[in-house]
Amino acid sequence: ETGVTQSPTHLIKTRGQQVTLRCSSQSGHNTVSWYQQALGQGPQFIFQYYREEENGRGNFPPRFSGLQFPNYSSELNVNALELDDSALYLCASSNRQSVDTEAFFGQGTRLTVV
Amino acid sequence: QKEVEQDPGPLSVPEGAIVSLNCTYSNSAFQYFMWYRQYSRKGPELLMYTYSSGNKEDGRFTAQVDKSSKYISLFIRDSQPSDSATYLCAMSVRNQGGKLIFGQGTELSVKP
Repeated sequence: ETGVTQSPTHLIKTRGQQVTLRCSSQSGHNTVSWYQQALGQGPQFIFQYYREEENGRGNFPPRFSGLQFPNYSSELNVNALELDDSALYLCASSNRQSVDTEAFFGQGTRLTVV
Repeated sequence: QKEVEQDPGPLSVPEGAIVSLNCTYSNSAFQYFMWYRQYSRKGPELLMYTYSSGNKEDGRFTAQVDKSSKYISLFIRDSQPSDSATYLCAMSVRNQGGKLIFGQGTELSVKP
């Protein structure tokens, strides 16, 4: 077990709705990254949060947004859901102060958009 | 062309076989190389982590990095049915902890 927890584990939403996914980082880690993993594909980097600010973003539209809180936990928000947003959403925590850049993942939230 | 290429398989081997998994990449700035194991419907689990070129061994697992060829490998010795999973290679540049570029993943099945 990595100590990275995500909630909820499963979620079904209707196209056009909004969703919020949550992540608690591993103890001692100050950075949270979010990934989208479509079926049969590797995870795709959405964005990263460090010191409560977005620190790098992948090729995702602005309707994907996030927050990081003082305790380093994080939220991923997706507005105006589309069918293609159905995927496993993964949160990874790491420590930017560390020379090593190991990232540890949570179990993911499986989002289904109908 | 994708930054990281990985054969998706599926790869099926008998129990006890040596498994070789590979990835190639195009970005010469990558310095950190990782292998993750992902069981069905679970999050990726970090298996091996290597900085720059060279080999790293951990039990039945050996990771190799050849930066001159932009090629990384994971070897699994004495494979077990419990090794059946999807194996993902991932890479990052220096000082960007957590911003990983993944391969597509190789699905491995180890038959008893």
